[in-house]
Amino acid sequence: QKEVEQNSGPLSVPEGAIASLNCTYSDRGSQSFFWYRQYSGKSPELIMSIYSNGDKEDGRFTAQLNKASQYVSLLIRDSQPSDSATYLCAVTGDDKIIFGKGTRLHILP
Amino acid sequence: NAGVTQTPKFQVLKTGQSMTLQCAQDMNHNSMYWYRQDPGMGLRLIYYSASEGTTDKGEVPNGYNVSRLNKREFSLRLESAAPSQTSVYFCASSEWLSYEQYFGPGTRLTVT
Repeated sequence: QKEVEQNSGPLSVPEGAIASLNCTYSDRGSQSFFWYRQYSGKSPELIMSIYSNGDKEDGRFTAQLNKASQYVSLLIRDSQPSDSATYLCAVTGDDKIIFGKGTRLHILP
Repeated sequence: NAGVTQTPKFQVLKTGQSMTLQCAQDMNHNSMYWYRQDPGMGLRLIYYSASEGTTDKGEVPNGYNVSRLNKREFSLRLESAAPSQTSVYFCASSEWLSYEQYFGPGTRLTVT
């Protein structure tokens, strides 16, 4: 059974600080990695995708991938109250996408 | 450009009743998906359609059927609803061979 693991949180981060969200996966053959943001009562929204080892930056968001360690992370710089949400990590495997259960992030004003 | 739309937004069913959840996308995507999301369980794939004319089972297909009506529309049917099917249902779409999925607003279903 292929798995994607995330700490459920909540992760509390002061406004303006860096929020670091982590995800590990079990399938060494995984090729594609995604971060989705889900506000309470809303649907998931794709915010980052990463396909090769290293860092990928998009505005205040940086995704980091380490395939050797089977680890993907999301950094949010200058955290804002509007970043308070659940962040879902997703990984492809066997032609399907598998979602982690998500980490709840709370930005403290 | 509405993206992915789902109807209805809310539904209450009695055990044994049937219903169809509708999903449509206007992004010209080939692939469409149905998920359910339950507290503590995360998103679980029910069925997917990689392209028009094909459907495949996901992780939790029992009790559900799907129809890929055309490229735009993908419906999910509950033939005989059970309380265990109380959940939030999301439809999503993506380009073929891409897993960058775009989600609809969801249907909150309660089965009593």
